Amino acid sequence: GQNIDQPTEMTATEGAIVQINCTYQTSGFNGLFWYQQHAGEAPTFLSYNVLDGLEEKGRFSSFLSRSKGYSYLLLKELQMKDSASYLCAVRGYMDTGRRALTFGSGTRLQVQP
Amino acid sequence: GAVVSQHPSWVICKSGTSVKIECRSLDFQATTMFWYRQFPKQSLMLMATSNEGSKATYEQGVEKDKFLINHASLTLSTLTVTSAHPEDSSFYICSARLSDRGFSYNEQFFGPGTRLTVL
Repeated sequence: GQNIDQPTEMTATEGAIVQINCTYQTSGFNGLFWYQQHAGEAPTFLSYNVLDGLEEKGRFSSFLSRSKGYSYLLLKELQMKDSASYLCAVRGYMDTGRRALTFGSGTRLQVQP
Repeated sequence: GAVVSQHPSWVICKSGTSVKIECRSLDFQATTMFWYRQFPKQSLMLMATSNEGSKATYEQGVEKDKFLINHASLTLSTLTVTSAHPEDSSFYICSARLSDRGFSYNEQFFGPGTRLTVL
């Protein structure tokens, strides 16, 4: 089975840095994804990690440690538009035997002025 | 990036009717599409994997006869909610994975979602 944990809510200040953690337990790990989702909209892809280490993409960075079952998403120079839910998703084997994404419950980030 | 569309974006229907939702990959081919359901303030739950030219694979707890999936071409998958009831009201989102071009095949592109309300 799959189990993904991430904090429910976080608050940060505009211009600051925030780190959103994600821990997971999965069978047949084949990559970890981070998505951003604004209320009422579909998720948009932010990052993909399959090897240990840090992937940097502009203001967003994502880190993975497979041995620890741990990842984090780092957002720098926060902007008001970054207020959204951030979903951690892991690709592994579902109960059906298919490789598919299992999503965490999401972390609602509120950026304050 | 690749674009996935969904139609309709929202639908309101009476209990007992059937509703069809279309998912299209606009500028790429997708042999595999995924259908998710999301209830308010909850995360996405995978319902089924749609495979072009073959039967869909449903996750445990998802009724095959209630949620009919057809993936007739490399750019179109449809989800039909049959005999809809109020508890089926939800946000339905599809995603597609690239099966060609130079992009990473690992990335899934999501459609904008369809909000279904059953009265």
